[in-house]
Amino acid sequence: GDSVTQMEGPVTLSEEAFLTINCTYTATGYPSLFWYVQYPGEGLQLLLKATKADDKGSNKGFEATYRKETTSFHLEKGSVQVSDSAVYFCALKELTGGGNKLTFGTGTQLKVEL
Amino acid sequence: DAGVIQSPRHEVTEMGQEVTLRCKPISGHNSLFWYRQTMMRGLELLIYFNNNVPIDDSGMPEDRFSAKMPNASFSTLKIQPSEPRDSAVYFCASSPGRLTDTGELFFGEGSRLTVL
Repeated sequence: GDSVTQMEGPVTLSEEAFLTINCTYTATGYPSLFWYVQYPGEGLQLLLKATKADDKGSNKGFEATYRKETTSFHLEKGSVQVSDSAVYFCALKELTGGGNKLTFGTGTQLKVEL
Repeated sequence: DAGVIQSPRHEVTEMGQEVTLRCKPISGHNSLFWYRQTMMRGLELLIYFNNNVPIDDSGMPEDRFSAKMPNASFSTLKIQPSEPRDSAVYFCASSPGRLTDTGELFFGEGSRLTVL
């Protein structure tokens, strides 16, 4: 079936550093791609998404571009803040026999220090 | 607006005991998902419902696990008997429609289960 591979964490950065979290996917079709974020003690929440090749999703200073040629959807932010410390999940939406479902990567923990 | 509500937030139980986790989805959402999160396996989809009907339960680990959705505003995930390897955070999520349009899931805060 379809799958998502993320870089392992934790990723530790200083405030205002540039962030990249790598995500690649394997899919038989053309899935929609997502980044979710999980803050400590909370459930996941949608950060951004892209539904077709070359789309760029963006939110809260984060962005990711759907690259079909490299099957990637890397998350980037130009200047991270301490408040960005969280676990980030890459996900794809696949169509199964019974409907749509989201498949998540294993998550990448980001720690931002002063 | 109320989000997805899960209970209990924390549960500690002994091996062999029955565990019931509860979820109230967002009103008007007609798809509901149960996920399990562990350090080893990450976030796994256990089962999902559409209009209260189970659509895909291929992720349910074994017969000890069962899930029900008797109406649009309530779902349960039951483990009987529980085992230490069931220790995890269990998330419930809901979405409007069948993820066809937005693909956005709304997650509850999770139920942390510890089986001793």
